[in-house]
Amino acid sequence: GDSVTQMEGPVTLSEEAFLTINCTYTATGYPSLFWYVQYPGEGLQLLLKATKADDKGSNKGFEATYRKETTSFHLEKGSVQVSDSAVYFCALRGSNDYKLSFGAGTTVTVRA
Amino acid sequence: SAVISQKPSRDICQRGTSLTIQCQVDSQVTMMFWYRQQPGQSLTLIATANQGSEATYESGFVIDKFPISRPNLTFSTLTVSNMSPEDSSIYLCSVGTNTRGELFFGEGSRLTVL
Repeated sequence: GDSVTQMEGPVTLSEEAFLTINCTYTATGYPSLFWYVQYPGEGLQLLLKATKADDKGSNKGFEATYRKETTSFHLEKGSVQVSDSAVYFCALRGSNDYKLSFGAGTTVTVRA
Repeated sequence: SAVISQKPSRDICQRGTSLTIQCQVDSQVTMMFWYRQQPGQSLTLIATANQGSEATYESGFVIDKFPISRPNLTFSTLTVSNMSPEDSSIYLCSVGTNTRGELFFGEGSRLTVL
């Protein structure tokens, strides 16, 4: 079945550092790909998405490009802030059953 | 988008009891799902709530333990039956408005079983 493999943390960075979280997937057909974020004590929010190959999702300075050739959807941010401290989940929505499958999650801590 | 309200937001329950979680959406949605997030873990799909018919359960989840109702396109309930401490988790309702876009999540219901 469809699955997502996500770089596990925890990841600790200094403010203004570059962040990348790797995500690769296995799926039949043409899935949609997402990054969700869970801030401390809060619910799950959509960060960005891409629904077809070569699409780039972006939001709040974060970017991820849907790479079909490498089955990847890596998350990047050029300069992180303390407020970016959260758990980040890569997720895939299959083209056949429409369910959302999540990666293990990566805890990111940004220090001032 | 969709706004999802879940009740209760949290509860402490005794072993052997059952609890029903409600999910109310502010608009009609075609797809509704129930997820579980165990402490420090990722989200695992429990089942797809089907309007007017029995839910579709994922491997490892059964109807006797997690009965689900979905009487209409805006409301669903998940019951956690005969609870044990291993059921202590956050249970999340999720909805989708189309087949390729994102799913929207409620704030979750945090259950602690003693």
